[in-house]
Amino acid sequence: GDSVTQMEGPVTLSEEAFLTINCTYTATGYPSLFWYVQYPGEGLQLLLKATKADDKGSNKGFEATYRKETTSFHLEKGSVQVSDSAVYFCALRVTGNTPLVFGKGTRLSVIA
Amino acid sequence: DTAVSQTPKYLVTQMGNDKSIKCEQNLGHDTMYWYKQDSKKFLKIMFSYNNKELIINETVPNRFSPKSPDKAHLNLHINSLELGDSAVYFCASSQGGSLTDTQYFGPGTRLTVL
Repeated sequence: GDSVTQMEGPVTLSEEAFLTINCTYTATGYPSLFWYVQYPGEGLQLLLKATKADDKGSNKGFEATYRKETTSFHLEKGSVQVSDSAVYFCALRVTGNTPLVFGKGTRLSVIA
Repeated sequence: DTAVSQTPKYLVTQMGNDKSIKCEQNLGHDTMYWYKQDSKKFLKIMFSYNNKELIINETVPNRFSPKSPDKAHLNLHINSLELGDSAVYFCASSQGGSLTDTQYFGPGTRLTVL
């Protein structure tokens, strides 16, 4: 079945460090890919998405590129801030009315 | 205005009780979902409704019964609560029909079964 694999956390970084959170997927068909973020005590918010190969999603300094050849959608940010501390979820969807399939989430802690 | 709202935010109850969680969206979306997030933060789909019709039921025990009185509401009723039902339950909605649709999530309901 369809699945998403994320790197295990937690990830702890100092402020202004470079962030990469790896995400790979297995899917039948041609999925859309998403990164969601969950701040402490809140629901999930869409961070960025990409819908076809080589598309780059970006938002709030975060970027991820849809790589069909490696079935990957790694999340990157050049300089993290304390306010980026959250749990990040990679997800996919393979058809229009279907729910998202989530990875297990990666907790990021950024220390000043 | 809150796009997807859930009530209550916290729910503490005894084993064996019956409880409901309500969800409402004011986005005019056609599709609504319930997800369960366990203590390790893993998110899994439970149900999906499109225009008040159930389209996905992911092998959830029949103690869980979703009800959609109209397109804007999807409530979750749980009978005979068990310890393992303790989790955070998220409602979400999307326009539906498109692969690229964004799902909008509610703030979650933290259910604790004692």
